[in-house]
Amino acid sequence: NAGVMQNPRHLVRRRGQEARLRCSPMKGHSHVYWYRQLPEEGLKFMVYLQKENIIDESGMPKERFSAEFPKEGPSILRIQQVVRGDSAAYFCASSLGGEGNSPLHFGNGTRLTVT
Amino acid sequence: AQSVTQLGSHVSVSEGALVLLRCNYSSSVPPYLFWYVQYPNQGLQLLLKYTTGATLVKGINGFEAEFKKSETSFHLTKPSAHMSDAAEYFCAVSTNTGNQFYFGTGTSLTVIP
Repeated sequence: NAGVMQNPRHLVRRRGQEARLRCSPMKGHSHVYWYRQLPEEGLKFMVYLQKENIIDESGMPKERFSAEFPKEGPSILRIQQVVRGDSAAYFCASSLGGEGNSPLHFGNGTRLTVT
Repeated sequence: AQSVTQLGSHVSVSEGALVLLRCNYSSSVPPYLFWYVQYPNQGLQLLLKYTTGATLVKGINGFEAEFKKSETSFHLTKPSAHMSDAAEYFCAVSTNTGNQFYFGTGTSLTVIP
């Protein structure tokens, strides 16, 4: 009964490279959320997706960041041309959806370091 | 729009003492409220939730929280702190429209032996 699976746990990229973060939601969950966490800061919402649809991307930077949740396979958060300021922990969460009373279940995060 | 305010970014208590972590919310519609705990280098784990019904909800690890509509609060308590309770705690709110979750900035709990 696997929970939310994120990989890799740690990712090191040089400035200008691309980072791909993967998230497999809990079985039966069709709603996926991505959050970013910086040291000593809270969770910053980035994007909310359902299968094949972006529902809310109001927290995503307009450039270099994109997310998808295809019909088959994991959700992907993609950061192009990474900069040092992108270094953070990125968390994925999933839920059953419904009326908002279904709680989020979180993965253990991907810690991105940009050198 | 919904929002959450957690008063006190850092709280220290002695082992065995009462734990009280404060959370106030803002919502124009009936809220759903959640508390999560985060241990170092891990994701967030659900402690408890309030959706409807009884306003005093019990969670894991001896924690409980009470929904007080008149005070727009959902404070987290535990009668006796344990060393293993040292972690970051997040309060969150959602509603029955939009499936969006709003998190507070977190409270770091330190337990002093």
